[in-house]
This record gives sequence, structure tokens and C-alpha cells, in this order.
Amino acid sequence: DQQVKQNSPSLSVQEGRISILICDYTNSMFDYFLWYKKYPAEGPTFLISISSIKDKNEDGRFTVFLNKSAKHLSLHIVPSQPGDSAVYFCAASSMNRDDKIIFGKGTRLHILP
Amino acid sequence: DGGITQSPKYLFRKEGQNVTLSCEQNLNHDAMYWYRQDPGQGLRLIYYSQIVNDFQKGDIAEGYSVSREKKESFPLTVTSAQKNPTAFYLCASSDARVGTEAFFGQGTRLTVV
Repeated sequence: DQQVKQNSPSLSVQEGRISILICDYTNSMFDYFLWYKKYPAEGPTFLISISSIKDKNEDGRFTVFLNKSAKHLSLHIVPSQPGDSAVYFCAASSMNRDDKIIFGKGTRLHILP
Repeated sequence: DGGITQSPKYLFRKEGQNVTLSCEQNLNHDAMYWYRQDPGQGLRLIYYSQIVNDFQKGDIAEGYSVSREKKESFPLTVTSAQKNPTAFYLCASSDARVGTEAFFGQGTRLTVV
């Protein structure tokens, strides 16, 4: 049973436009959410996070929005740049001691020239 | 330089042999994780450890074993019982406090022939 779902395997966006990656989760105990970016044959690198006490967090071109009632979060990248082409993973964890980090399947973002 | 190191980057083994993947971190992190990445599957949790001498099974622990004798080391053994061991393996570590991201190694590509 997938607790973190990224239902779009891939997304293509024109350079300069906004990229919106979405993530849904099922476990209401999750209270901390992260986005990672991954290039082929490399480890994921942390992009941005949000805790459940917030509904928005912004860092430069990256903004994450959290809708707790819908168990939905999204990552906005604006403007999109060629170097943003990568796989993006959504991840979630919960506050108890056993807070393993659960990842979604990832979304491959292609930035078109 | 603080970081997390996986070795080797590429590993080839014959079917039926056990193989151990190394993961070392000098970030003083309590928690360490092993994930496996397959195409279309995202990052799936194999084992994780929140403290020395303790570890827990993840979603796909069958055919794998780990140890956590030292805080900085979390080796993963892929045993002959693992039915489909060829994959990209990622080790991660994080501060066990809530609300911190995981840092990843560069990964080990294991190919069983």
C-alpha cells in the first residue's frame, strides 16, 4: 500500500514557464514533507521541505504548498530552467520515534527549450 | 568534509554469492537508511536504523541483512536469497530529530550476472 503517491510519472514544461509537481499521501500521521531532486546514477539531493504547521514554504524558485485536509502537496518551480530536468521525489515522515522517511515513485521533469 | 560515502560505485557479482555494500557517514547522524531504486518504483526502503545496535525492516527487507555496530557505519548485505538483486542502492542518513532531511550517498549500482 503506497503511503506517498506521485501519480504523474513524467512532466514536460517549456523553459521559463512554471513546473508543478504533485504528491498525495494517505497516512494522516505524516507531519513533515520533503522534496528531493535526483539526476541519473547520483543520490537524491534535498530541495525543500515543509512541516504540517505551515501551508507554504518558499526558497528561491521553489515553493511547496501543503493542503492537509486533502493530504496533498505540490512543488512549484518558477521559472523552469534546463538544469531542472531531473526526477523529483516527494517524501514524508511522522513525528513518532519510528519516523522512517517514505518516498513516492518520483516524477521525471523534462524542461523543453 | 562532512558527508555520506557509499562504496563501491559499481559492483558485479555472480548469482548465488552474497555481497556487502558499504555506507559510512561522518555527519554524526543517529539514523541511517538503505533504499533500493528500480525503474518505475521510486525509492523503496530496505532497512533503517535509528540508533546503534538497533535496526528495523523496511518494506522490502527479504533477502537483505544489515548491521549497525558503529554510529558511522551501516553496511548492507545482499544475500543469495534476494530474488532480483540487480538494482541501484542508496544509503542515507539523518539527524533523528523530527524535521530534518536525509542526506544521500552517491549510490551503488549492483549487477548480478
